[in-house]
Amino acid sequence: EVQLLESGGGLVQPGGSLRLSCAASGFTFSSYVMSWVRQAPRKGLEWVSTISGSGDRRYYADSVKGRFTISRDNSKNTVYLQMNSLRAEDTAVYYCARGTGGKFGGWYFDLWGRGTLVTVSP
Amino acid sequence: DIVMTQSPDSLAVSLGERATINCKSSQSVLYSSNNTRYLAWYQQKPGQPPKLLIYWASTRESGVPDRFSGSGSGTDFTLTISSLQAEDVAAYYCQQYYSTPPTFGQGTKVEVK
Repeated sequence: EVQLLESGGGLVQPGGSLRLSCAASGFTFSSYVMSWVRQAPRKGLEWVSTISGSGDRRYYADSVKGRFTISRDNSKNTVYLQMNSLRAEDTAVYYCARGTGGKFGGWYFDLWGRGTLVTVSP
Repeated sequence: DIVMTQSPDSLAVSLGERATINCKSSQSVLYSSNNTRYLAWYQQKPGQPPKLLIYWASTRESGVPDRFSGSGSGTDFTLTISSLQAEDVAAYYCQQYYSTPPTFGQGTKVEVK
């Protein structure tokens, strides 16, 4: 079955760190761009970060640049999001998503995980 | 960054009637070199992740009912549900992927009148 399964969310204090994981199955993982998209409580969708299929290119939203790091292990079919210096405004459900696009531009997301909740609070 | 603005924020439609959601981008998302519109639509039901409905502005994802259709060009796009079903109650988001960062509209909630 084609699916994405996130893990690693939880409650963390401001300034703390957390590492999210997303395990993929059912497709050729290394052929796809992978992304993280988040959704704050009762809010809309916000793109966070994307990594190329080989892992050589990484992209970040300005809101997380310098604090979050995306990586992937194609031997384990897993993508990660290391989150440091967490803030209250980082509280959200974090979705792992498979990206697809054209020769130019960015990506749309054709496969999503169920998400993992990150709560940043004292 | 390209700003995506949806209208309305919410709408209530009777079962079997048409629902229309609009999405406007702050700059064109049409690549003139290949005449391709870099616009996607998603559906999100309560407690669920988003689901891709439409990409390239008008191409339905596999398995999406044909009552969902997308149209538009340049900066103005529309998602139409031709005959609303109870299972279509959800939030709908447009997204541009013309440039990085990819950006989403604020969402439109569709409910049954």
